[in-house]
Amino acid sequence: GQNIDQPTEMTATEGAIVQINCTYQTSGFNGLFWYQQHAGEAPTFLSYNVLDGLEEKGRFSSFLSRSKGYSYLLLKELQMKDSASYLCAVREGTDKLIFGTGTRLQVFP
Amino acid sequence: DTAVSQTPKYLVTQMGNDKSIKCEQNLGHDTMYWYKQDSKKFLKIMFSYNNKELIINETVPNRFSPKSPDKAHLNLHINSLELGDSAVYFCASSQERGGAGNTIYFGEGSWLTVV
Repeated sequence: GQNIDQPTEMTATEGAIVQINCTYQTSGFNGLFWYQQHAGEAPTFLSYNVLDGLEEKGRFSSFLSRSKGYSYLLLKELQMKDSASYLCAVREGTDKLIFGTGTRLQVFP
Repeated sequence: DTAVSQTPKYLVTQMGNDKSIKCEQNLGHDTMYWYKQDSKKFLKIMFSYNNKELIINETVPNRFSPKSPDKAHLNLHINSLELGDSAVYFCASSQERGGAGNTIYFGEGSWLTVV
């Protein structure tokens, strides 16, 4: 079966660091994606991991451990505009992207 | 230029009606998708086409019929609309199948409300 778990909501303060965790159980794992979705908008691509380890891209980093079925998204130097939902998604096979329910992050001043 | 564009953005219609949502991508991608996001914000794949060929059909009711006239277009037709069809429908596209470049790009969504 397919199961992707993320916390439903998180809060953090502007300038802080926040880590959003994602655990998954899927068949045919072929990469893990993180997307950002602001309210009323389309999801936009943030990061992609297919091998174990950390991928860094500016203020955002994503980590993957395939043996543990675990990933996290790390957001540094939080800004108010980072308030959004963050979607963890696992690709099965070549085409099928399975999304978690998303984590709604609220950044406060 | 919008990379993945879909129309209409908002659609309010009565139960039992038939409606279509159109999608076009100008990224030159080979694969296109329809995703449905429900009121709980859960995003779920419905269909995927690669070069006009259906490759994913996720047990969606047969009232939903995708059509891909060419690889740049993927339209979604819904017959006999039901209240439970109310959701945001996202069209998306990607270049490769399964490779590192297979990032999926989403359109802006079509908000469907069935009353």
